[in-house]
Amino acid sequence: GAVVSQHPSRVICKSGTSVKIECRSLDFQATTMFWYRQFPKKSLMLMATSNEGSKATYEQGVEKDKFLINHASLTLSTLTVTSAHPEDSSFYICSARQMRRSAYEQYFGPGTRLTVT
Amino acid sequence: QQQVKQSPQSLIVQKGGISIINCAYENTAFDYFPWYQQFPGKGPALLIAIRPDVSEKKEGRFTISFNKSAKQFSLHIMDSQPGDSATYFCAASMREGNKLVFGAGTILRVKS
Repeated sequence: GAVVSQHPSRVICKSGTSVKIECRSLDFQATTMFWYRQFPKKSLMLMATSNEGSKATYEQGVEKDKFLINHASLTLSTLTVTSAHPEDSSFYICSARQMRRSAYEQYFGPGTRLTVT
Repeated sequence: QQQVKQSPQSLIVQKGGISIINCAYENTAFDYFPWYQQFPGKGPALLIAIRPDVSEKKEGRFTISFNKSAKQFSLHIMDSQPGDSATYFCAASMREGNKLVFGAGTILRVKS
């Protein structure tokens, strides 16, 4: 149980275009999902918290108009990188929160490698 | 106050040895402390987690030791195997929000 998938696993796009990344909880419902960014050999940086049916909450310094998040159902959250630039190239990872043993635990997707040329 | 400090940055252990990774935090409101394992190009996988009401939790070869007064917690990997070679992250969160604050990570290499 607690499987989270991401699609695509890798994407290359041209500068100025937009890219959508999907995050799905496959065997559970997730009212809350999180989006992280990870640079090579670095830790995970939380970008935003995605709540089903409401607006995402962005961390300080993250441009909400650039990183659009939509959590339209209990199993799907999407991150759209708008007008992508080479500096947006990174490893994007989502996680989904599931209640287990009277507490929430976070389960991560496999990540999406974005390269902007 | 939101930081979680992790050490060492990298660690080399002989097969069969014990790997020990340490983390320290400042925010006493943190009440959930998970450890994640990440292989290159993959997402982190939850290994084991602990809450402040216990001082130790063991699952298989993995043990978390928690010292509430010192605001420190550590991961011990017993009988380390080459397959354990990965990056390990400690994290902390407050139950209500569940936003995780991650440590910087430790690259573990187990030599066969």
